[in-house]
Amino acid sequence: QVTLKESGPVLVKPAETLTLTCTVSGFSLSNTRMGVSWIRQPPGKALEWLAHIFSNDEKSYSTSLKTRLTISKDTSKSQVVLTMTKMDPVDTATYYCARMSTVTTLYFDLWGQGTLVTVSS
Amino acid sequence: SYEVTQPPSVSVSPGQTASITCSGDKLGEKYASWYQQKPGQSPVLVIYQDSKRPSGIPERFSGSNSGNTATLTISGTQPMDEADYFCQATDSDTVVFGGGTKLTVL
Repeated sequence: QVTLKESGPVLVKPAETLTLTCTVSGFSLSNTRMGVSWIRQPPGKALEWLAHIFSNDEKSYSTSLKTRLTISKDTSKSQVVLTMTKMDPVDTATYYCARMSTVTTLYFDLWGQGTLVTVSS
Repeated sequence: SYEVTQPPSVSVSPGQTASITCSGDKLGEKYASWYQQKPGQSPVLVIYQDSKRPSGIPERFSGSNSGNTATLTISGTQPMDEADYFCQATDSDTVVFGGGTKLTVL
């Protein structure tokens, strides 16, 4: 069974750094046909892609957030980690990790349950 | 940066056909994917590469993409199809989502 599960703090203070971990099972992060993305969704709002990482460790970031984001992976642990610096209340959102197919084009065929992160002092 | 636009809402009667559009500059030259999201749940892929259905997605879901518009069509819409729908495209190596369309079945 293929699953992705996000973990991390539910509450962070403004200006702090957020670190989220996506633990995957049922597939390998070394699979060349797949990658993993982080996507967020503020309450009641649209999905926003943040970053993704491919099996060869190539990375891509949202243009508007790239200065604040770092994505990395540990294939042996089946984990993908996202860090976001300088958190602000507008960053309050549900953060999802998703498996990304890289065949022909990029799309997300499996999503984690999401983790709600609230930014507040 | 590249953007795609969706209507905020679409209404349809049960059993009828619902069409949800996604517009972007020369979107037809890219691939579009569609996701269904019900309240309190994670998004689910319903269409990828413009018109392909993942395993387990009912045949009433179909997609097309030409010119500047991609369209998700739900034939014989059922009450269970009421949800938010998001389109997604890729520009260079970045991903963009539409603002979402709330489909109401009434």
